[in-house]
Amino acid sequence: DTGVSQNPRHKITKRGQNVTFRCDPISEHNRLYWYRQTLGQGPEFLTYFQNEAQLEKSRLLSDRFSAERPKGSFSTLEIQRTEQGDSAMYLCASSLVSSDTQYFGPGTRLTVL
Amino acid sequence: QKEVEQDPGPLSVPEGAIVSLNCTYSNSAFQYFMWYRQYSRKGPELLMYTYSSGNKEDGRFTAQVDKSSKYISLFIRDSQPSDSATYLCAMSFLFSGGYNKLIFGAGTRLAVHP
Repeated sequence: DTGVSQNPRHKITKRGQNVTFRCDPISEHNRLYWYRQTLGQGPEFLTYFQNEAQLEKSRLLSDRFSAERPKGSFSTLEIQRTEQGDSAMYLCASSLVSSDTQYFGPGTRLTVL
Repeated sequence: QKEVEQDPGPLSVPEGAIVSLNCTYSNSAFQYFMWYRQYSRKGPELLMYTYSSGNKEDGRFTAQVDKSSKYISLFIRDSQPSDSATYLCAMSFLFSGGYNKLIFGAGTRLAVHP
């Protein structure tokens, strides 16, 4: 499978715990995006990487959120001290620099109890 | 007011019907317009992409953009039960760094019944 992959697919955690999600983009895709989608809503932009550089962060990304893309390949999104309001689907997308088309992964569904 | 408005539905149609899905937007700077299909508990899948006013056809799907009215549509002909999903419109404009972040509508749930 050469699409965008995300792990884990589901994560249940207790409030206050830290969680980390991983995204593996399509090979050779320089651009990587994170979005968050809550029930009944469309995805909302969180952050953007071009290669290893994080070039934009949404105001939605509080200080408890951090994202990295070491070596410009896979990316991780960490949420510290999770809150119930963090429960959502976290989506990763990737694209080529030469293209405006973003391809999405299957998402990681987070449930905070 | 949200930048992109989309009726959440649900929309229920019989198999074979023509489906019309719509979005309106407020930011005239949007240049790229997309429709994604999302099945339950899956990631969005790109259906159609256009950057100009007018129609674009791909099989049973037609995307229509009217920039003067800030209105986009997706038409599905001969709808099938397998088309049952949530349809998301998305828009973007080109940032100085050359990237585009997508602004999505809330999505319209479509159910096609046999």
